[in-house]
Amino acid sequence: NAGVTQTPKFQVLKTGQSMTLQCAQDMNHNSMYWYRQDPGMGLRLIYYSASEGTTDKGEVPNGYNVSRLNKREFSLRLESAAPSQTSVYFCASSVGGAGEQYFGPGTRLTVT
Amino acid sequence: RKEVEQDPGPFNVPEGATVAFNCTYSNSASQSFFWYRQDCRKEPKLLMSVYSSGNEDGRFTAQLNRASQYISLLIRDSKLSDSATYLCVVISPPGRRALTFGSGTRLQVQP
Repeated sequence: NAGVTQTPKFQVLKTGQSMTLQCAQDMNHNSMYWYRQDPGMGLRLIYYSASEGTTDKGEVPNGYNVSRLNKREFSLRLESAAPSQTSVYFCASSVGGAGEQYFGPGTRLTVT
Repeated sequence: RKEVEQDPGPFNVPEGATVAFNCTYSNSASQSFFWYRQDCRKEPKLLMSVYSSGNEDGRFTAQLNRASQYISLLIRDSKLSDSATYLCVVISPPGRRALTFGSGTRLQVQP
């Protein structure tokens, strides 16, 4: 039982490049989330998926797209990376209500 | 004004000390409250939920004050392993399924 896994762990991109961050959970959770964490800002929600087939914008969705591929997987895509997207990205999942979330180990992304 | 505010610290305390953190929230309609713990360069993990009547889990006690819109976390008999950042988390309506995180309070327990 791996919990929530994320790939890659580290990534460096040049401005304008695109990439997809992968997230998978093996806990049979319905809801999945993508957050970014910046120094002094706390975690901010980018997108979430309450169930398979649905996605909704969070607090900071601009510049990102998501896909809930199936119940297990929720990916985050940066179409044209910008230096402002340099951050640590966390994926999380929960059974139903949002209170108890399980987080993946994070992806540290640098955009130069 | 941020929706959830915390003193960033750091709080430097000796082993065995009692330490308390507060967190204020701005939305009076907020419904659910939690404390998460985050170790350096790791993912956040749920520490405990906060109930209206207050609740305790071993050395940790959480309190909610709806009138003044704050929650607190008390740690008794601090251990070196308690050193971490403590994140205050709130769920607010309408229909919010996601958490709003404070930026965290850093605790450093000294030997």
